[in-house]
Amino acid sequence: DTAVSQTPKYLVTQMGNDKSIKCEQNLGHDTMYWYKQDSKKFLKIMFSYNNKELIINETVPNRFSPKSPDKAHLNLHINSLELGDSAVYFCASSQDLTVNQPQHFGDGTRLSIL
Amino acid sequence: GDSVTQMEGPVTLSEEAFLTINCTYTATGYPSLFWYVQYPGEGLQLLLKATKADDKGSNKGFEATYRKETTSFHLEKGSVQVSDSAVYFCALGNSGYALNFGKGTSLLVTP
Repeated sequence: DTAVSQTPKYLVTQMGNDKSIKCEQNLGHDTMYWYKQDSKKFLKIMFSYNNKELIINETVPNRFSPKSPDKAHLNLHINSLELGDSAVYFCASSQDLTVNQPQHFGDGTRLSIL
Repeated sequence: GDSVTQMEGPVTLSEEAFLTINCTYTATGYPSLFWYVQYPGEGLQLLLKATKADDKGSNKGFEATYRKETTSFHLEKGSVQVSDSAVYFCALGNSGYALNFGKGTSLLVTP
């Protein structure tokens, strides 16, 4: 019954590895997002998809590649992980792109690079 | 571009004290404004929102009024509880589609 669910909750891996984080929403929303939260709690948008179409692609290294197989899923694949990628990654969704729509967040994936 | 500025934390209050967390914004057009709360180890939850000038959002005893003249959306609560300890984020939604968040204000309420 969780609205936005992310897996895994914790991810510990070595530098240079490739990893994926999955996100699913059961709210029937059209729009999904990935945010990165750094150690100081600052949240920054990475990507946004609307009906499986990429809308926002902020200045993110191309090692990060989002994939949306359908509008209920938005996965994040990261190649060649670096120490600076350590952060908490949040998936979110909203009904659509209108500015007054609130976003619903998952519980986050804490990525730690050794 | 759009931006949100929040007061620096951490804020430490005794139970039943009055809370204000300041938030000001810079934006073109007519943004919507939000407060989100993040409890330890959890994702962000919408606390309240306001979509036009002079709107007041309220939820769980928290209130914030959208003031266009002062470009502010300060969060207030009359009597905080220990369970209100969390990080509070002010956010702005505008034509850029993604939310623009402030840096967050950590609140600790002591018994």
